[in-house]
Amino acid sequence: ETGVTQSPTHLIKTRGQQVTLRCSSQSGHNTVSWYQQALGQGPQFIFQYYREEENGRGNFPPRFSGLQFPNYSSELNVNALELDDSALYLCAGSLQGVSGYTIYFGEGSWLTVV
Amino acid sequence: SQQGEEDPQALSIQEGENATMNCSYKTSINNLQWYRQNSGRGLVHLILIRSNEREKHSGRLRVTLDTSKKSSSLLITASRAADTASYFCATVWMNRDDKIIFGKGTRLHILP
Repeated sequence: ETGVTQSPTHLIKTRGQQVTLRCSSQSGHNTVSWYQQALGQGPQFIFQYYREEENGRGNFPPRFSGLQFPNYSSELNVNALELDDSALYLCAGSLQGVSGYTIYFGEGSWLTVV
Repeated sequence: SQQGEEDPQALSIQEGENATMNCSYKTSINNLQWYRQNSGRGLVHLILIRSNEREKHSGRLRVTLDTSKKSSSLLITASRAADTASYFCATVWMNRDDKIIFGKGTRLHILP
């Protein structure tokens, strides 16, 4: 039990549509990160939020956006979906400011774009 | 681009044998972490080793870190069927973002 819950677990969208993925993190996780993991690959860093502000971004276009809320929940929004967006999306909570902190991952949301 | 690169990409061993996976990275790090992922599921944190540490143990896991070679190894002793999974090393960059960067992973298969 990591204390990080993601929803939905699976979903199918059509190319061009928009999707919102949600993540709920336990109290104390002031940092949330999102990752995209294509089949057979390692997770790729999308962005990180710290105290409700974006705090670092990977090599993803602006149509990937996010929000972090005061209650430690977070959203990942993807606009204008493309077939290559099909992947497992992972949310991770952590407590920033502590050297060598542990990151706790949710089980992920499987997105299929058709 | 990914920071760490695991080697080998895939490994099959008999149950009871030891499994060794290696990870190389490119830039200076604060610490290095190893994660396990069962098929299609979230990642589970296994062990963290700081840049000033050389070796760390946790149960059947032994991790080494050589910062001069920018490499780490994960040893799983007395492997079990339940150890079948993908294993990823992840590095924390020495910058304010503290982003965790993963390699492509080693897919470990334990044969009965």
